[in-house]
Amino acid sequence: AAGVIQSPRHLIKEKRETATLKCYPIPRHDTVYWYQQGPGQDPQFLISFYEKMQSDKGSIPDRFSAQQFSDYHSELNMSSLELGDSALYFCASSLGSGGYEQYFGPGTRLTVT
Amino acid sequence: DAKTTQPPSMDCAEGRAANLPCNHSTISGNEYVYWYRQIHSQGPQYIIHGLKNNETNEMASLIITEDRKSSTLILPHATLRDTAVYYCIVRNPGGGADGLTFGKGTHLIIQP
Repeated sequence: AAGVIQSPRHLIKEKRETATLKCYPIPRHDTVYWYQQGPGQDPQFLISFYEKMQSDKGSIPDRFSAQQFSDYHSELNMSSLELGDSALYFCASSLGSGGYEQYFGPGTRLTVT
Repeated sequence: DAKTTQPPSMDCAEGRAANLPCNHSTISGNEYVYWYRQIHSQGPQYIIHGLKNNETNEMASLIITEDRKSSTLILPHATLRDTAVYYCIVRNPGGGADGLTFGKGTHLIIQP
């Protein structure tokens, strides 16, 4: 079965640079979620979109923005990168806004040097 | 979302049933109990969810007490591949596309 696709899988950036992470949900899923997991920490919810509209917002820094496109894929844009942004970034998708089950992608490992 | 409490770690012998407890004494009537797990550095994986009745699927069983203040996730025949951090999450699915709040979870270690 098709799963959530994230690209790139690994990304190395320098401080103050920008990064764009992409997420392709499971086919027919219309809801996307972004999570951040720092080293040794539990996943933290950042933001979600349902039918291309922002639905819920968690602890997303102002330097980060995201959007969901007409084909339901989503992009997380991160600017003025800081060392503390080094983390695993997971995207999840679900069918409908009820969110009974969220299916997670393999993650993008971002390293900021 | 209601707060949950789980033991930080548990061991279980391979082939035995693993029983993971979760306390959610402040759960409200419209909140479900969800279980996810995360194998090291992989994306979290949905396991099962329930409201008040016991639930079973191909991965696990979920037992919810009658007062709904606690629950137990049961992996009937644990294998080494079940070693992971297991998260018990309580949330209202009618709240829209809300993000999951991951607590500390239980690190389950399956011993050979």
